[in-house]
Amino acid sequence: DAKTTQPNSMESNEEEPVHLPCNHSTISGTDYIHWYRQLPSQGPEYVIHGLTSNVNNRMASLAIAEDRKSSTLILHRATLRDAAVYYCILRDFSTLGRLYFGRGTQLTVWP
Amino acid sequence: NAGVTQTPKFQVLKTGQSMTLQCAQDMNHEYMSWYRQDPGMGLRLIHYSVGAGITDQGEVPNGYNVSRSTTEDFPLRLLSAAPSQTSVYFCASSYRREGTGELFFGEGSRLTVL
Repeated sequence: DAKTTQPNSMESNEEEPVHLPCNHSTISGTDYIHWYRQLPSQGPEYVIHGLTSNVNNRMASLAIAEDRKSSTLILHRATLRDAAVYYCILRDFSTLGRLYFGRGTQLTVWP
Repeated sequence: NAGVTQTPKFQVLKTGQSMTLQCAQDMNHEYMSWYRQDPGMGLRLIHYSVGAGITDQGEVPNGYNVSRSTTEDFPLRLLSAAPSQTSVYFCASSYRREGTGELFFGEGSRLTVL
């Protein structure tokens, strides 16, 4: 099962863009890249996902490298409410796979 | 839609006791799973299921049992609780939709084993 590597922590100032990296060098051609975030004392929540092309939604943007071995979650203007642990996971095409979350990246946003 | 519902939210057990953490979803999701989260450890997969009657082990299955008799329910059983099982437990579910299925999580169950 392919796994991901993320920095343990990152910091940002409010209203600045944030780029959260994720490495997944063993990704297979059928793995989807998913991002989730976990606010304090809550369960994780879905942020965005993609396969090959960059994706945008109301919460964030996902930039996927051409070789798909890395991706970046982009928060265009960080707010204090974006302070959370962000997880990058790979979801197999068949969805029969185990979904490994790892430790994620703790994002701190300063006012 | 209630989404993913976990009960109880809090539980204190003594070593050796058994209990069941309940998880129910009303979205007709095929995929359901259980995670535990310890401080500084992130989420670790315990067991998962891709449909009624089908279950498989995750990273840390020892000490836990699961079954999936219906699409809606996926209970997690602790047969003989140990202090090492003190943790926050999350249940998650999704459609089996070609890898694109968004995972929905419950609010968590905080378990303390004395």
